[in-house]
Amino acid sequence: DIQMTQSPSSLSASVGDRVTITCRASQGISNSLAWYQQKPGKAPKLLLYAASRLESGVPSRFSGSGSGTDYTLTISSLQPEDFATYYCQQYYSTQGTFGQGTKVEIK
Amino acid sequence: EVQLVESGGGLVQPGGSLRLSCSASGFTFSSYAMHWVRQAPGKGLEYVSAISSNGGSTYYADSVKGRFTISRDNSKNTLYLQMSSLRAEDTAVYYCVKDSRGAYSYWGQGTLVTVSS
Repeated sequence: DIQMTQSPSSLSASVGDRVTITCRASQGISNSLAWYQQKPGKAPKLLLYAASRLESGVPSRFSGSGSGTDYTLTISSLQPEDFATYYCQQYYSTQGTFGQGTKVEIK
Repeated sequence: EVQLVESGGGLVQPGGSLRLSCSASGFTFSSYAMHWVRQAPGKGLEYVSAISSNGGSTYYADSVKGRFTISRDNSKNTLYLQMSSLRAEDTAVYYCVKDSRGAYSYWGQGTLVTVSS
């Protein structure tokens, strides 16, 4: 199975900050990577797919980059509604494994 | 509008069985692979199982292989997860998920399965 290692596990930031979350796969996944946002008590929401493609309706302050085994989610200017937990997921293999999540909290 | 509505969750004793259902609407169900993903209380997301659009191919996480069976009825726009030999560690919210280009584009609201005596 492909393992996904996400960091950090949590971070504190202020509104307006630039935030970066990283995800490393145990093998190359050819940009078959998605990022999800989950708020408490809610289902996850797809933000980006194919490492850098923004899902329809997602604000442009969210962006993704990377290749091979290393990928990054960036929030350019953190907004109050962005405080949530973020997960990466590889779908290179059918068993679409997730990272352990990054909780973004208010500083 | 895509809608995925799970049902069938509840309290079950260890070793017991349960069948989850997911009713889909707002898209051509028979054209898309579907997935089940679970989340234990306070924990992260875990892939459980996947099924191809015609039901001909199925996939399972090692943690559920041999105990869970995924299936679908395209005439009823419904996805199923038959769970047997349930363990305490299967306690989780189970989400039904629509595949889109490999990523998980739409999620249901989830149904809680609690395995406890």
